[in-house]
Amino acid sequence: KNQVEQSPQSLIILEGKNCTLQCNYTVSPFSNLRWYKQDTGRGPVSLTIMTFSENTKSNGRYTATLDADTKQSSLHITASQLSDSASYICVVSKASSYKLIFGSGTRLLVRP
Amino acid sequence: SAVISQKPSRDICQRGTSLTIQCQVDSQVTMMFWYRQQPGQSLTLIATANQGSEATYESGFVIDKFPISRPNLTFSTLTVSNMSPEDSSIYLCSVLGEDPNEQFFGPGTRLTVL
Repeated sequence: KNQVEQSPQSLIILEGKNCTLQCNYTVSPFSNLRWYKQDTGRGPVSLTIMTFSENTKSNGRYTATLDADTKQSSLHITASQLSDSASYICVVSKASSYKLIFGSGTRLLVRP
Repeated sequence: SAVISQKPSRDICQRGTSLTIQCQVDSQVTMMFWYRQQPGQSLTLIATANQGSEATYESGFVIDKFPISRPNLTFSTLTVSNMSPEDSSIYLCSVLGEDPNEQFFGPGTRLTVL
């Protein structure tokens, strides 16, 4: 069954600290993995997209990793800011399909 | 990137009524989708809006409940019919970018059914 699982479900950190969110998937055949940020009351916004051959991709303070062998990905946030408070959703795309498989998201709260 | 707007941004409706949500894109797109996001949950694909033909619905969603129109390559509507409190969700429009690996989402319509 094609699934995307994320952990932790929620996370609270202090401003300025780093954190890492995890994503495991069983989607096959794999095309790419995306991380989206969704602010409360808004639509998801893409942070990174990684294909099979990419191990790491950065977007500012966000760094995503992908291990296609173990089917794991992580999103590392450096020097967190209050504006990082949001849900982070791991999404996997199947090859030859436009349909996306969504994880349930990690709710991050950054406190001052 | 595609810029997507939705109307209304939110609404509170009575049980048994219907609401039509509009999605406008600032450029012509081939693929347009409608998603539902129930409280505390992730996104679930309702249907693919096809220009010039009937929408393609996912398992668990039917045309009578969620009729969709796609009159051109920049616009689509989703109607939530005969609403019940269980329909309270955020409804999001989404499109594929020029790069099919990119998918953009609208801001969503937050629907509350009393």
